[in-house]
Amino acid sequence: QKEVEQDPGPLSVPEGAIVSLNCTYSNSAFQYFMWYRQYSRKGPELLMYTYSSGNKEDGRFTAQVDKSSKYISLFIRDSQPSDSATYLCAMSGGGGSNYKLTFGKGTLLTVNP
Amino acid sequence: DAGITQSPRYKITETGRQVTLMCHQTWSHSYMFWYRQDLGHGLRLIYYSAAADITDKGEVPDGYVVSRSKTENFPLTLESATRSQTSVYFCASTGFGNQPQHFGDGTRLSIL
Repeated sequence: QKEVEQDPGPLSVPEGAIVSLNCTYSNSAFQYFMWYRQYSRKGPELLMYTYSSGNKEDGRFTAQVDKSSKYISLFIRDSQPSDSATYLCAMSGGGGSNYKLTFGKGTLLTVNP
Repeated sequence: DAGITQSPRYKITETGRQVTLMCHQTWSHSYMFWYRQDLGHGLRLIYYSAAADITDKGEVPDGYVVSRSKTENFPLTLESATRSQTSVYFCASTGFGNQPQHFGDGTRLSIL
């Protein structure tokens, strides 16, 4: 079993839809959870950063972490064509390796006008 | 401008040649990282550095060499390039161990 599993998609939705992106993980030591957005031919850009379980909201984006289920989610409300990108989940934590990120393989999202 | 910059953005070379990818950050971050991104594999860590003159291997270090003589620079060298090293290479940095990493825009490297 891979440490982080993420459905690669592709996911195609109409403009204005609510998008749900998810990752599951196996390492219970993970404590820090991130979502990155990556546009074509660009580097990953940090979107959301959360510590431990709970929700965090930033504008149209909401990140949820459920450590008991080892499951994290990113919700995008009122999706826009500019949200079309690959979304990567990442996590870290545990012992002396807090700085090492473990990434999912990314989900390709297309929002159609 | 502040940030993290990679050069060159695109590079084509031949097998057996040495090639160096440059990474420069202006935040004075302690930690710097090199990843490669390939279809089907996602981002994989090649090498990282916790401070100047401190480097360590990541998940896929074979065929790569790094150095870090100055905090702001972290070059990655392919000593004898192979076709399997054709990839997109990303540099990242962070100030503290548990903080998110910030990425450059990558170098697309093709080895013929």
